[in-house]
Amino acid sequence: DIQMTQSPSSVSASVGDRVTITCRASQGISSWLAWYQQKPGKAPKLLIYAASSLQSGVPSRFSGSGSGTDFTLTISSLQPEDFATYYCQQANSFPPGFGGGTKVEIK
Amino acid sequence: EVQLVESGGGLVQPGGSLRLSCAASGFTFSSYWMSWVRQAPGKGLEWVANIKQDGSEKYYVDSVKGRFTISRDNAKNSLYLQMNSLRAEDTAVYYCARDPSQSSGPRLEFDYWGQGTLVTVSS
Repeated sequence: DIQMTQSPSSVSASVGDRVTITCRASQGISSWLAWYQQKPGKAPKLLIYAASSLQSGVPSRFSGSGSGTDFTLTISSLQPEDFATYYCQQANSFPPGFGGGTKVEIK
Repeated sequence: EVQLVESGGGLVQPGGSLRLSCAASGFTFSSYWMSWVRQAPGKGLEWVANIKQDGSEKYYVDSVKGRFTISRDNAKNSLYLQMNSLRAEDTAVYYCARDPSQSSGPRLEFDYWGQGTLVTVSS
């Protein structure tokens, strides 16, 4: 199975900050990488698919990049509604595994 | 509007069984691969199983193979997860999720999710 490792596990940031989250796959997955946002008590929400494609309705301050084994999710200017946990997920092969999550907290 | 509504969760003893249901609306259910994804309390996400549009292909994570069965009824726009021989480690919120693929192969991404149903395995 492909292992997904996210860093950091948590980050404290202020409104307006630029936040970058990293995800590494244990083997190459081309661009088969998705990012999700999850708020407490809610279902995950798809933000980015195919490593860099923005899901419909997602604000443009979210962007994704990378290919192969190393990927990043960037929030260009953090908004109050962005405080949440973010997960990466490989969509290259079975089983589709998730990273451990990165909690974005208010500084 | 796409809606996925899970039901059937609850408290069950170790070794017991439970059947989860997911009612879909707002899209052509029979055109999409569907999955179950779970989340243990305070933990991350784990994909459990998926099923092809016509039910002819099903895949499972190793930890549930032989114990869980995914199925669907396209006439009822419903997805199911039959869970047998339940263990404490199966305790989680179970989400029904849509794979955006309408082709013969899944994309293994999840663009719509239900609100989840909690399964607690405990004596």
